[in-house]
Amino acid sequence: SQKIEQNSEALNIQEGKTATLTCNYTNYSPAYLQWYRQDPGRGPVFLLLIRENEKEKRKERLKVTFDTTLKQSLFHITASQPADSATYLCALPSNSGYALNFGKGTSLLVT
Amino acid sequence: SAVISQKPSRDICQRGTSLTIQCQVDSQVTMMFWYRQQPGQSLTLIATANQGSEATYESGFVIDKFPISRPNLTFSTLTVSNMSPEDSSIYLCSVEDPRRGSSYNEQFFGPGTRLTVL
Repeated sequence: SQKIEQNSEALNIQEGKTATLTCNYTNYSPAYLQWYRQDPGRGPVFLLLIRENEKEKRKERLKVTFDTTLKQSLFHITASQPADSATYLCALPSNSGYALNFGKGTSLLVT
Repeated sequence: SAVISQKPSRDICQRGTSLTIQCQVDSQVTMMFWYRQQPGQSLTLIATANQGSEATYESGFVIDKFPISRPNLTFSTLTVSNMSPEDSSIYLCSVEDPRRGSSYNEQFFGPGTRLTVL
């Protein structure tokens, strides 16, 4: 069956450091991968999309890599700030190609 | 982008009753999606709702339990029927970016409805 795995343990880092979150998947051949941020009591907010033919994508302090051979995406936040504290979700297209399947998310705490 | 509102934001219900959740979008969209997020779990897709056709349900979800309406391009409802404590969850609706036509679209989510069933 298809699986999306993210670090279940919370990630605690110091302000100013780079946070790196991992998303691994199995039994998928996705055309793209997305990352979302979710704050408590709110719906997820889209951050970045990376296509299968892209190795890396950047947006301000965010960087995403996509290795379709390893079936892995890494999500980096550089110069992290306390405001970056949230849960980050990895998402892949569902079988229909329109909806999304989500990982459980990784909780990031920046202090 | 799309702005999505949901009603109610939260509710506490008794076992055996039903609750209808409303989702309103500020622009016309073809597809709307309903997700469930149980405590400590990820989002799980319940169904895809297209205007003018029957909703498409994911494995493990059935229309009798989660009937969906999609009367127009800006509105949808999800009903949680004959509720049990296991239905306690956050229910979220989402839409694709209405400005684009690609299947690579990002999704916009509503704030969610927090349901507790006693």
